[in-house]
Parts: sequence; C-alpha cells; structure tokens
Amino acid sequence: NAGVTQTPKFRILKIGQSMTLQCAQDMNHNYMYWYRQDPGMGLKLIYYSVGAGITDKGEVPNGYNVSRSTTEDFPLRLELAAPSQTSVYFCASRYRGDRGVYEQYFGPGTRLTVT
Amino acid sequence: GENVEQHPSTLSVQEGDSAVIKCTYSDSASNYFPWYKQELGKRPQLIIDIRSNVGEKKDQRIAVTLNKTAKHFSLHITETQPEDSAVYFCAACAGGTSYGKLTFGQGTILTVHP
Repeated sequence: NAGVTQTPKFRILKIGQSMTLQCAQDMNHNYMYWYRQDPGMGLKLIYYSVGAGITDKGEVPNGYNVSRSTTEDFPLRLELAAPSQTSVYFCASRYRGDRGVYEQYFGPGTRLTVT
Repeated sequence: GENVEQHPSTLSVQEGDSAVIKCTYSDSASNYFPWYKQELGKRPQLIIDIRSNVGEKKDQRIAVTLNKTAKHFSLHITETQPEDSAVYFCAACAGGTSYGKLTFGQGTILTVHP
C-alpha cells in the first residue's frame, strides 16, 4: 500500500492564482480530511468527507473547496490565493470506526507559499 | 466546538529523564485521544492513543493517562532518548456524528539533550 499520497510537495503561487492540491489513499478508507498547519502551530481542519459525494466544512474552510467523486481521491481547491493561505497542507484518512480502529493516517504534506 | 489546550509549549530534558506533556479538552462528548509525533518537515505519526473507557495505556516507554472527570490527558515518556526530540501534538475526537474529526493542541517541542 502507498497509504496517503499528496501532490505536489511544494508550490509557490502568486496572489490571486488558483490551484488544486491532490490527495489519494489506497486503503479503502471512508473518511478523509484536509488540515492546514501554520508555522509553530497545531493542525486545523479545513474540510472533511465521510464518503464519495459527501463533504462538509471544518474549522477553517474559507477560501477553499473540495470534492469527493471517488473513495480514493479528495482534492482541495484554492481559489484566488491569498498570503494568509501560506501553510503546510496535510491530507489524512481513516476507517469509518466500526472496526475499532480510529487512527488517522497522514500524507506527506504540501508546502504552499503565496507571494 | 471542541477546544484542546496543550502544555508546555517547549520542554527540554536530559537523556534518560522522563517527560510529561498535558492536554485539557472542553467537550465532554470526546471519547478518543491520540498523540502524534512530528519530526521536522515530516508528517504527524501516531505514537499512542486512548479511548475514554480506559484510564491508562502503555506501550514500552510511552504511556497516556486520561482523567475524564477533569477532562485532561497526559503523555508520559520515560528514559528519554535524543531520537525522542520532536514536536508532540495531542488531539481529541468526539464520538457519534463527529466522523472522526480531530481537534489538535498547539504542540510541544521536546528537546532531549545527550
């Protein structure tokens, strides 16, 4: 298993540009999440999904959009990038919970700089 | 919503000493409490977790204790080694319709001096 994969690893955007951060998992996990981690801070939830076609906002959703057309993929879209979106973005996934396993598995992260 | 406070923000110990990191949470419905270790430039990795029906869990040099009444939980690392140096995050998750969403603490930078 590759686990949770993310692309790209690094990206520099100009203010106002848009981009999509890709996330995929091959563990057949129902639940997927997007977090952002600002320097020296904990992770904050942006969006999450409980299955294909179902998404919902987390703590800091403004400026982002997501979609979940398949179980495997959960892309995060940034529209009109702003300097405040400079951060490291982590995608994570886990089982639904009915197997008694609750661990969230994280991808390697995407480091985004908006200038 | 849930709020998780973590202390201390930095912790410096000598190799072989013990380290303790404490977290408090606000939502009494929270029932799952993981601890993650994050090395510089890497992804968070789960090191130990505990569910609310258990008061303590141990895995070799690492243990977690949970006090549901006081709504706090702690990470204990014994016989620390330089490779334990990293940022440690606690998190809390409410059950039911929370869908596994985690609320993280602010992190503790642990430095173990040889």
